[in-house]
Amino acid sequence: GAGVSQSPSNKVTEKGKDVELRCDPISGHTALYWYRQSLGQGLEFLIYFQGNSAPDKSGLPSDRFSAERTGGSVSTLTIQRTQQEDSAVYLCASSLPWNRVGETQYFGPGTRLLVL
Amino acid sequence: DQQVKQNSPSLSVQEGRISILNCDYTNSMFDYFLWYKKYPAEGPTFLISISSIKDKNEDGRFTVFLNKSAKHLSLHIVPSQPGDSAVYFCAATSGTYKYIFGTGTRLKVLA
Repeated sequence: GAGVSQSPSNKVTEKGKDVELRCDPISGHTALYWYRQSLGQGLEFLIYFQGNSAPDKSGLPSDRFSAERTGGSVSTLTIQRTQQEDSAVYLCASSLPWNRVGETQYFGPGTRLLVL
Repeated sequence: DQQVKQNSPSLSVQEGRISILNCDYTNSMFDYFLWYKKYPAEGPTFLISISSIKDKNEDGRFTVFLNKSAKHLSLHIVPSQPGDSAVYFCAATSGTYKYIFGTGTRLKVLA
């Protein structure tokens, strides 16, 4: 059974460009999460999906950030008009449906984004 | 305002000895705590967790202790092995899927 996969593993872009980051969750995991880790910081929650809906987008840092999920599976995190402060590792995690604390979140390897 | 703090960015321990990783939190609403381990170029992997109704949880060589009055938890690894060398993150939640992570402690186990 494959784990959570993310692509690309590394992305270098110029300030002002848009980027798309992809996450393939574990098969059967209906819950999906995006986090990011900036240099010297802990993982920061961005957004939670249950199926295709995102009941919690509270962690998205600005309206330049958006995410969608289709077919209850693949998710894409889009950052428009990237800024240098967007440089970070973006991590995706998935789990069985969230109905209790303790539902283990399984993480992908992350996408390292560098905005020049 | 960091609600979960790991004040030691790094720790070195001899193989076979005990590794103690510490984590402090500020939010008294947190009621579930987790430790994740991360190797380079990989995502964090779940290691062990503890509910606030307990003060200790053990899984093989790994034990997590929770001191609610001090808002402190620690992860003990006994005996430490070179394969334990990784970055360890503690995380906390107040009953939701939203984990609040610390900044991590890099453990190096010396052979």
